[in-house]
Amino acid sequence: DVKVTQSSRYLVKRTGEKVFLECVQDMDHENMFWYRQDPGLGLRLIYFSYDVKMKEKGDIPEGYSVSREKKERFSLILESASTNQTSMYLCASSWTSNTIYFGEGSWLTVV
Amino acid sequence: GEDVEQSLFLSVREGDSSVINCTYTDSSSTYLYWYKQEPGAGLQLLTYIFSNMDMKQDQRLTVLLNKKDKHLSLRIADTQTGDSAIYFCAEAVNSGNTPLVFGKGTRLSVIA
Repeated sequence: DVKVTQSSRYLVKRTGEKVFLECVQDMDHENMFWYRQDPGLGLRLIYFSYDVKMKEKGDIPEGYSVSREKKERFSLILESASTNQTSMYLCASSWTSNTIYFGEGSWLTVV
Repeated sequence: GEDVEQSLFLSVREGDSSVINCTYTDSSSTYLYWYKQEPGAGLQLLTYIFSNMDMKQDQRLTVLLNKKDKHLSLRIADTQTGDSAIYFCAEAVNSGNTPLVFGKGTRLSVIA
């Protein structure tokens, strides 16, 4: 079975803190993605990566950065967390642009 | 541009059939997907259909694709309370590495 693991399920951070959300997949997938999910807005793509050290902006990259130093790991970084970044963050991975597999999600609250 | 539309809510009685509908705009879609999200969890791949197919059946699930009208539906037979979830429609618009385009999700509520 494909496994996409998000290391933190629930986080509470203060405004201005630097936040790291970690994601690891065990299927040697080339592609990895970070989405955020908010009520009424569905899934919105933040960043994605097709290879190690490669990244592409999604629909809402502002306020975020990413790191992919190893194929299996894709990190989402909030350089200076703000309250409007309170959300559920979903990591996903895939072989191609077709079937993608999601992690369980990370609930981030910024206070 | 690409767009995937779904109604936001659907309510059915236990034992009835549920039909969740989705429309998309890009005629070059290769695959179309249904994902299920249970409360507090990530998205789980439910089923998918290749764009040259009209129908796919998998146990209680039936996917119908009308390519002419760019309409996709998911029918769940004998709906159970455990089917209560958000269902997302998604399309793959190109081969290669273009990310999937997701609808906003339909929240299915099953009334006992």
